[in-house]
Amino acid sequence: NAGVTQTPKFRVLKTGQSMTLLCAQDMNHEYMYWYRQDPGMGLRLIHYSVGEGTTAKGEVPDGYNVSRLKKQNFLLGLESAAPSQTSVYFCASSLTDIAASSYNEQFFGPGTRLTVL
Amino acid sequence: RKEVEQDPGPFNVPEGATVAFNCTYSNSASQSFFWYRQDCRKEPKLLMSVYSSGNEDGRFTAQLNRASQYISLLIRDSKLSDSATYLCVVIPSSGNTPLVFGKGTRLSVIA
Repeated sequence: NAGVTQTPKFRVLKTGQSMTLLCAQDMNHEYMYWYRQDPGMGLRLIHYSVGEGTTAKGEVPDGYNVSRLKKQNFLLGLESAAPSQTSVYFCASSLTDIAASSYNEQFFGPGTRLTVL
Repeated sequence: RKEVEQDPGPFNVPEGATVAFNCTYSNSASQSFFWYRQDCRKEPKLLMSVYSSGNEDGRFTAQLNRASQYISLLIRDSKLSDSATYLCVVIPSSGNTPLVFGKGTRLSVIA
């Protein structure tokens, strides 16, 4: 049981290049999330998904696209990278997001450190 | 007022000390509250949920004050291994974000 894995762990891009970050989970979780974490800004939600084939915008969605074609995978795409997208990207998953549930813990991947020059 | 606010610290305390963090939230209808822990250059992990009646897990005690809209985390007998950033997390009852994370409070326990 690997939990949540992210690929790649590190990446350096030039401005204007594109890339896709892959997140995979083997816990059969319905909900998946992409966050970015910057110094002094905390974790900010980019996009999330409440199930296979669905996606929704979070707090900072501009410049990113996502897809959830399979339940276990959640892809984050940068079509034209900008230096402002230099950050640490975390993927997370949870069984549910219902407030009253005891199954709403989010499990995070190890992160992808992206630098855009 | 930001949705979830924490004192960023850092809190520098000696081993064995008791330290407390507070976190305030703006949405009075928020339903669920958590503390996550994040070690340097690692991913966040759930430390404990915060229940209305308060809860304790070993040296850690979490409490909720709905009237004043804050949650707290108390760490007794601090260990060097407690050094980390502690994130306050709230599930609002409405809005388009499942969870809202505070920016975190950094704790350094010094020998």
